[in-house]
This record gives sequence, structure tokens and C-alpha cells, in this order.
Amino acid sequence: DTAVSQTPKYLVTQMGNDKSIKCEQNLGHDTMYWYKQDSKKFLKIMFSYNNKELIINETVPNRFSPKSPDKAHLNLHINSLELGDSAVYFCASSQGQRTVYEQYFGPGTRLTVT
Amino acid sequence: AQSVTQPDIHITVSEGASLELRCNYSYGATPYLFWYVQSPGQGLQLLLKYFSGDTLVQGIKGFEAEFKRSQSSFNLRKPSVHWSDAAEYFCAVGISGGYNKLIFGAGTRLAVHP
Repeated sequence: DTAVSQTPKYLVTQMGNDKSIKCEQNLGHDTMYWYKQDSKKFLKIMFSYNNKELIINETVPNRFSPKSPDKAHLNLHINSLELGDSAVYFCASSQGQRTVYEQYFGPGTRLTVT
Repeated sequence: AQSVTQPDIHITVSEGASLELRCNYSYGATPYLFWYVQSPGQGLQLLLKYFSGDTLVQGIKGFEAEFKRSQSSFNLRKPSVHWSDAAEYFCAVGISGGYNKLIFGAGTRLAVHP
């Protein structure tokens, strides 16, 4: 069983479109994250949800809107896609206070905006 | 500001040779330190972690890391590299206070020659 899964794995779309990425974890964790990895492999946190509540919102354009329908799911909707949004987006999850740093990552969604 | 520096962007070693990947951090408080590995096309996996206590920590796949406070370093080592170790390695520091999150270094790509 996959611990953290993401769909789709690849996403190719044109500028101006709106797209969504979905994430699910079956680890029973209470905290989930979205990360963006750019072309130079630099990994940066975007959002974090704890028990469906948004707790971390880094400096991310308003075009990005996360949503957590329940503890096991975290989706990312992106409006009006731009070329600079092309990246690999990773979902991750963790549990607890100290172990919040021991994060389990999904396989990533490679978004290409043309 | 908190940051993680991995000075080596790309390292190549021969199979069976020893390995050391460098990591330096900047953080005012006691750091929580981590190494993650990303195999091609995969998400990140936790290799090892340091919270406190013994400054030499053991991880999975035969890796170890040593925390040196005086040098603000947390270098990753392996005595004998296997071809399957070829991957991207990320050092991270856990930031606490308010909401906990990971700050990642830019990564070091490891290539292994047969």
C-alpha cells in the first residue's frame, strides 16, 4: 500500500488554465504539507495543514489554494497557471510534535506549463 | 535567518569508496537536523535524524551523520558506497517556535561509478 499518493503524476497544461493536484495519505497522520521543488531541485514548503486547519502559509501567490476535506486528504488548486509554476509539487505528511519533522513524501506531481 | 548550505552540488564516487556529504546550518537555537534522500523520480525518504544526545547518529542503508556544534555542521557519511546509493541528498533543519517546519538545503547529487 502506498503511504502518500498523489494524482496526477504528470500534468501538462497551458498558461492561464486552472488545475488541481490531489494527495492522500493512509498513515493516520494529522499534518500534511505541500512543497514545491524547482528546476534546480530546491525544495520549499508552501502550505501545511494540521487536522484540516491551515497552519503554515508561506509567501505563495493567491492563485494557489489548498484545501483539506479531511485529515487524510490535501488538495492543491492553482488558478491562472503561469510559466513559473512549472515544477515538481510534493505532498508530505507527519504526525506529532517532535516527529513533525519526520515527514513522509509522495512521489511528486511534475507540472509543466507551456 | 535560518538556512542550510550544502556546498557540493554534485559528487561522483566509485562503488566501494567512502562518502562524505557536507552540510552546514544557520539556526539560533538547538537544531534538529535531518538527512533525506531522493531517488530519481521519487519522493524524499528520511535517512536519519538528530535531536539531541549522541552526536553520531545512525540511519538506514548504512548511513551515519555527525553533528558538530562548533562547526555548525551535520555531515553525512557512508564507509562503502553501493551503486544504488546514486540519488539526490538533502540536509534539513527543523525550525520550531510557532509552527514547526523543515528548511532544506539545495541538495547534493551523488553519482556512483561502477
